[in-house]
Formats: sequence, structure tokens, C-alpha cells
Amino acid sequence: AQTVTQSQPEMSVQEAETVTLSCTYDTSESDYYLFWYKQPPSRQMILVIRQEAYKQQNATENRFSVNFQKAAKSFSLKISDSQLGDAAMYFCAYNNNNDMRFGAGTRLTVKP
Amino acid sequence: DAGVIQSPRHEVTEMGQEVTLRCKPISGHNSLFWYRQTMMRGLELLIYFNNNVPIDDSGMPEDRFSAKMPNASFSTLKIQPSEPRDSAVYFCASSSVWADTQYFGPGTRLTVL
Repeated sequence: AQTVTQSQPEMSVQEAETVTLSCTYDTSESDYYLFWYKQPPSRQMILVIRQEAYKQQNATENRFSVNFQKAAKSFSLKISDSQLGDAAMYFCAYNNNNDMRFGAGTRLTVKP
Repeated sequence: DAGVIQSPRHEVTEMGQEVTLRCKPISGHNSLFWYRQTMMRGLELLIYFNNNVPIDDSGMPEDRFSAKMPNASFSTLKIQPSEPRDSAVYFCASSSVWADTQYFGPGTRLTVL
């Protein structure tokens, strides 16, 4: 069974600084998708970034970028120039054949 | 563009009562997913449909739970009878591409007393 592990239950960053959230996953598949979702206190699940496993190039979306290491089964999220609005729970997710698995989440606090 | 719509946003009911949660996927999306989120178990996939047909319901916890998708724009998740341990946030999500990005609704917070 595929599992997703987020080893950092909580992280903190100073406003305008950079923070990296870790995620590892376990799979025997070669073709899949990886995602980071953000869940603010409103509880809405918001897509942050998406990575296709067959693409070696790391995905980027404005201040958000990933470090995808397929052989190591690692998928970390880097947030640059952190803003107060980035404070939320962040979930890493793995999707193969519509079997979507989520990590336990990392709570990010942004200090002004 | 309208996102995934769920109703109600909050539901409080008493143990033993029937609860029906509703979802309208994004227009044009052909896959629909129901998830449950709790502190103890995190986000769990309950069931998903493709082209209105249930594909995988292995995550449905027990026979008290049932889901239907009578057409491409509407799905329900029913719990009968409800129990306090069913208290959770229930999310609906939809997708237009098989095994790709899922877009989530705002969720329904269910409290069973």
C-alpha cells in the first residue's frame, strides 16, 4: 500500500523568510502524481502545486516550488518570501490510479 | 467559475438519525470523490465515482454509509443510522482527468450527539 509521510508536525517561519516542508512516500509504481494542498482555518483544501512523476523538472508556482527526488521518493515544498497568509496546514498527497493518499499534515506558523 | 459545492456546511444531529450530505461537482468533471477528515485518522477516501459509476467503495467504513451519483452534477453521501463516531468533516472533490488533480469543496462539518 502506498503511504505518505510528513515528518514535521509543526514548522515555523519568519515573515519574508524561506521554509521547506518535507514529504516522503512509498510506492512501487513508476507513474503517479504528487501534490501539496493547503488547508487554512476555513478548512478549504486548496491546491498549491502539482508534480507529474515522469517529469524530472521540478514544478514551480510563484513563491512555491518543489524538490522532487523520484529515486529517493521525496517531495519537499519550498515557500519563499513567506507571507502571513501562508499560515495553514499543508498536506502532501500521492495519487496513482485515483487512489489518493494524504500525509498527516504539517502546521505552518508565520511570525510577523 | 463555480467550484465544488457542498451542502449543508454544518450539520448537527442526534445519534440514530439519518444524515444526507450533498455535492455538486465542477461542471465537466467526470470523477467525484468523497473523503472524511478526522484528527485521529486524517483524510480518508471513502468512495469515488467515474462517469456516475461507483468505482471503489473500499473506504466506506460500514453498511451504515451509502453514496449515490444519479447524474453528472449531483451526489449524496448518506449515513443511516448516524453514530457519534461519525462526527468529522466530509469533503467532496472532483476531477476532470483520471488520477490527476482533485478539486475540493468547502466540506461539511458533521456533529452527531
